[in-house]
Parts: sequence; structure tokens; C-alpha cells
Amino acid sequence: EAQVTQNPRYLITVTGKKLTVTCSQNMNHEYMSWYRQDPGLGLRQIYYSMNVEVTDKGDVPEGYKVSRKEKRNFPLILESPSPNQTSLYFCASSSRQGRNQPQHFGDGTRLSIL
Amino acid sequence: EDQVTQSPEALRLQEGESSSLNCSYTVSGLRGLFWYRQDPGKGPEFLFTLYSAGEEKEKERLKATLTKKESFLHITAPKPEDSATYLCAVQHLLSGAGSYQLTFGKGTKLSVIP
Repeated sequence: EAQVTQNPRYLITVTGKKLTVTCSQNMNHEYMSWYRQDPGLGLRQIYYSMNVEVTDKGDVPEGYKVSRKEKRNFPLILESPSPNQTSLYFCASSSRQGRNQPQHFGDGTRLSIL
Repeated sequence: EDQVTQSPEALRLQEGESSSLNCSYTVSGLRGLFWYRQDPGKGPEFLFTLYSAGEEKEKERLKATLTKKESFLHITAPKPEDSATYLCAVQHLLSGAGSYQLTFGKGTKLSVIP
């Protein structure tokens, strides 16, 4: 089954404790992206990657890091999480960015930073 | 500034009561407009892509249309299972960057009452 898998689905942690949210897709997609979704603000892009070893900032990249060493994986790293990063996070992938292809989303990771 | 605005924010319909959701946009270089459905606790699920003014797409009780400045998602004789948040996203040329960006609206929460 074609899917985007995120782990963990839920995480409660404390300020400053490094964490990684993993994202994996099995559709051989070149393009992958991370979003955060907050009430009243909608979905906002954090980082995206157009292919292996190619990443770029989205609208709200501060406090986040990403890497794309393999085509299927695109982890989101919070080196020193803060309470304002409490949010619902989504990973998405599509076959080609800029080619009108819809993005396929994972089921989300709910992060709470205390 | 590139913007995507959805209205209304929330809509309550009686089962069988047809209506429309609106997505208006002010962007440069439109490449495509996407409609997604999002259920609570889930990631957005792709519904339609529209590429040019005058285009229409249909799926079951949903029909999406596109003009030069807005898109409508028409829901005919809705059922309770159509209750969800409907998101509109516009893929457009990012000013000064030469790349494309996907900008989401904040969504319309639809509730269909039996």
C-alpha cells in the first residue's frame, strides 16, 4: 500500500531535549516536505526536499533541521525544542515538485513541548 | 503578498442540503489548485487538482470548479460522512526565487447533520 509513515504519532517531551520525527515513503517520490498545522494558522511549510541531498527552507524553518540522505526518508530534527514548537506535524511527498502533482500526507505527529 | 483565503470557516448543513465552499487566491504564476479533505486525527487526503480557469472535476457528491481568482467546491446532497475539514492549496511561482511553492488556505470545517 502506498503510504507516508511518520513516527512517533504522539510525543510529550521537555524543553531542550533533542528529538527526531521520522518520515518514510514507499512511492519512490523525489519531493518530500514537512508542515506544521496550528489552529487559526493552517498548514505552514517548514522544510522541503526536491531530491536526495537537496533541501531548502519553507515558511517557518527556525528551530528545525532536516536531512535527506536517502530518497525514501526525510527526518525532522528539533535540536533544542521549545514550547512554541508544540504543534501537529505532517510529512508529505509527491512525485515531482513544480509538476502539478498532489502531495500525499502522513497521518501526523502531535508534539507537546513542556 | 501571495494569499489563499477559504470561506466560510465553518459550515453546518442538513443532510441533503447542497452548498458550496469557496477558495479565493491572489498569487503569481498559478500552476495548479488542489482540494484536500482532512478528517480529525488524519493527514489531508487528496481530492482534486485543477490547472486552468474553466476546468471542472467531479467525484461522487463533490464538484470542483476554477476561475482566474477562485475555486468552488460544490457539495450536492451531502451525507454525514462528508463531514470533514476541506483544504484548498495553490501551487504558484515563488516571487524572486524561481521555484514553486504550495500555499494552503486555513480550511472550511463542514458538518453535515442527519
